Amino acid sequence: GESVGLHLPTLSVQEGDNSIINCAYSNSASDYFIWYKQESGKGPQFIIDIRSNMDKRQGQRVTVLLNKTVKHLSLQIAATQPGDSAVYFCAENIPGNQFYFGTGTSLTVIP
Amino acid sequence: GAVVSQHPSRVICKSGTSVKIECRSLDFQATTMFWYRQFPKKSLMLMATSNEGSKATYEQGVEKDKFLINHASLTLSTLTVTSAHPEDSSFYICSALSGGAGDTQYFGPGTRLTVL
Repeated sequence: GESVGLHLPTLSVQEGDNSIINCAYSNSASDYFIWYKQESGKGPQFIIDIRSNMDKRQGQRVTVLLNKTVKHLSLQIAATQPGDSAVYFCAENIPGNQFYFGTGTSLTVIP
Repeated sequence: GAVVSQHPSRVICKSGTSVKIECRSLDFQATTMFWYRQFPKKSLMLMATSNEGSKATYEQGVEKDKFLINHASLTLSTLTVTSAHPEDSSFYICSALSGGAGDTQYFGPGTRLTVL
């Protein structure tokens, strides 16, 4: 399978600060990427996606950046809140193929 | 939109029994659904890809006779863990593709299986 790795397994941020979660992918053929948030005991929740013809996409308090040159994906969360504490996964998709998930980054927001 | 449900959310069973988990796409049709297994503090492990009306495609190392998958309709896929043993205890999550090119994958809430 493809490797989708996250640079940091854990991340702690102060409430109100911005969070940046990074993800590296290895297959240049991947053209679709999704960030998921998973709270303890729950299924992954779709946050935001981006296709390879874009390098930036913004949602509500979240921004995903895609750097195809270095095969890097990041999720930025603005004004991080305690409710943002969770494990975040990135996933890549190759056309006609399954999704490949990273190992996850555990985000802890310190009040 | 794009809601996926799973039932039951939690099940405890005795060793040797079989357990069926249902995955439903509530507001869209899903020709493809996936079944994952997740261990504590680990990422998702794909078990099989379920396509409506055809046999499931299992990942390497996943026993198809132990984990029976049926995708009888565009909104329902089931995973049956047959003759469950304690090592089958895990968090099982399904997902469904929303359709179209570059499908978005939406996940169910997961089912916690505990085999005594």
